[in-house]
Amino acid sequence: EAEVAQSPRYKITEKSQAVAFWCDPISGHATLYWYRQILGQGPELLVQFQDESVVDDSQLPKDRFSAERLKGVDSTLKIQPAELGDSAMYLCASSLTAGGYYEQYFGPGTRLTVT
Amino acid sequence: KQEVTQIPAALSVPEGENLVLNCSFTDSAIYNLQWFRQDPGKGLTSLLLIQSSQREQTSGRLNASLDKSSGRSTLYIAASQPGDSATYLCAALLSSGNTPLVFGKGTRLSVIA
Repeated sequence: EAEVAQSPRYKITEKSQAVAFWCDPISGHATLYWYRQILGQGPELLVQFQDESVVDDSQLPKDRFSAERLKGVDSTLKIQPAELGDSAMYLCASSLTAGGYYEQYFGPGTRLTVT
Repeated sequence: KQEVTQIPAALSVPEGENLVLNCSFTDSAIYNLQWFRQDPGKGLTSLLLIQSSQREQTSGRLNASLDKSSGRSTLYIAASQPGDSATYLCAALLSSGNTPLVFGKGTRLSVIA
């Protein structure tokens, strides 16, 4: 069964350092999402791509976060510089396309700890 | 702004018991509602997706219902097992296609053998 892949699974970094996460969606899925989940909370959307275009990045802290999906396939989320409050689970999801009929499938996530 | 609430926040039940998890949402104009399972430190596994035109969906021992008019969904788990122990999250999608899923905080379920 096809799955969303993410790496690394765990990352520990010091504050002020740069960190990057990678996501490979299910083949053929046009829509890709990055969510952040703080411990004890539900995930919140950071950015949504339709193919290579950003369709929603309203909750992305653009002074330190960036995201790209250059060829409309895999995606990278970067944080620079990392802050203590960025410690969270970063989840990637994909769906066939945007719209309510299509389920979002989630990857295993990257657990980030900023010290 | 759509808000999703899940009650209770935590639940502990003996093995074999039937149980209900509750999810409420403030904006009844949802497009669909999805239930997820999350094991500690892991990603989300989709359990059931209910379209706005549907009233319920079933998968094995799981049954999810949707009542848009009252802004509620329930996840029913029959004959609970220790392997069902996890956090269960519900998420609502608003009617327009490019809006994000809005998640509740989840219900942490423990099934005691």
